[in-house]
Amino acid sequence: EAGVAQSPRYKIIEKRQSVAFWCNPISGHATLYWYQQILGQGPKLLIQFQNNGVVDDSQLPKDRFSAERLKGVDSTLKIQPAKLEDSAVYLCASSRGATGSNTGELFFGEGSRLTVL
Amino acid sequence: AQTVTQSQPEMSVQEAETVTLSCTYDTSESNYYLFWYKQPPSRQMILVIRQEAYKQQNATENRFSVNFQKAAKSFSLKISDSQLGDTAMYFCAFIPGTYKYIFGTGTRLKVLA
Repeated sequence: EAGVAQSPRYKIIEKRQSVAFWCNPISGHATLYWYQQILGQGPKLLIQFQNNGVVDDSQLPKDRFSAERLKGVDSTLKIQPAKLEDSAVYLCASSRGATGSNTGELFFGEGSRLTVL
Repeated sequence: AQTVTQSQPEMSVQEAETVTLSCTYDTSESNYYLFWYKQPPSRQMILVIRQEAYKQQNATENRFSVNFQKAAKSFSLKISDSQLGDTAMYFCAFIPGTYKYIFGTGTRLKVLA
């Protein structure tokens, strides 16, 4: 089966500009996650979707970050305006069911590396 | 608070040798899943091994095995016969109850030829 697809792989922008990342999860996976991974740290959950509904967005900086999951499949994460501290790798992951309702394995994309100058 | 601690930021091991990566966690939940994920340089993160907390038997996947000590809240990963392809960041993670993943800060493992 095809893996989790993400684009773009790399993006460099100036602070206060906007950027959008796209994710296509594995076909049939109900749950989609966006993580932020700052260099030297573990992934931090930004938002979790179950189908097209939001399960958890408690750590999403809503004044600048937004995300949507179109028709319960693809998802887009947007940052506007970007700050220097947003420089990170943005990982998309998917799983078959809700966290804890199955084996719990996450399938990750290759990530989108954002550099904010 | 539900936390995961990986106290070894970096480790190295000679090819063909055995190495153990440490992980401790804290939760008040009685049932949970524990995981080790591997993130090779510039490649996606993949699952290495999984352990269900209610199972006493330690999980094993080929050269990878865990030492799960529930009372001590410890979940270490042992890699036997280390290979150059094992060079990666390794993240310990768990799902307390039915909620979200909690990841550790990772251990960078380098396998030396």
